[in-house]
Amino acid sequence: QVQLVQSGAEVKKPGASVRVSCRASGYTFTGYYLHWVRQAPGQGLEWMGWINPNSGATNYAQKFQGRVTMTRDRSISTADMELSRLRSDDTAVYYCARDSGAYNNFDYWGQGTLVTVSS
Amino acid sequence: ESVLTQSPGTLSLSPGERATLSCRASESVSSSYLAWYQQKPGQAPRLLIYGASRRTTGIPDRFSGSGSGTDFALTISRLEPEDFAVYYCQQYGNSPTFGQGTKLEIK
Repeated sequence: QVQLVQSGAEVKKPGASVRVSCRASGYTFTGYYLHWVRQAPGQGLEWMGWINPNSGATNYAQKFQGRVTMTRDRSISTADMELSRLRSDDTAVYYCARDSGAYNNFDYWGQGTLVTVSS
Repeated sequence: ESVLTQSPGTLSLSPGERATLSCRASESVSSSYLAWYQQKPGQAPRLLIYGASRRTTGIPDRFSGSGSGTDFALTISRLEPEDFAVYYCQQYGNSPTFGQGTKLEIK
């Protein structure tokens, strides 16, 4: 079965960087785009960008350009998202989600990784 | 990019009642790229409906989606206790956006 398993919770200081990992299993990793979506406490869902695990091509939401980097390692079916110059308002649960392909929706999600930014 | 506005913000209903959730787009959205998700506390969102009206495998048929252009709806015909959650619509034009969510709570 399809699974996306994310790395554990992180606590970071303002100005630091954080890297969240997403390990895929149960399907062909290179066959589906992976997106990153975040959710601040008590708030809605915010799309951050996607990565094509096959080519490594990325597309970032304008809001995060210059601060976010998405990478992948095909050998271990893992995608990473690194967010730099963290601020307190980056405190959120970060999700990876698989793009279904034909309908461009998110059919499988990771369990989420809580990133807390606090001095 | 199309902005999605969901209404109402909160919907208070009783089990057995019918729920209708609205999602309005600021510009026309291809029906193929309109989806609905359910999210329960502490859980990741779950895809319910894609292509505006197609149910994901395993989703009960009391859930249905409809609409086109700028107006879409999610209907739950008879509410079960497990249906009380937050619901989000999502579109994918040039890039994905989500509505702000509708909280469906027990009356």
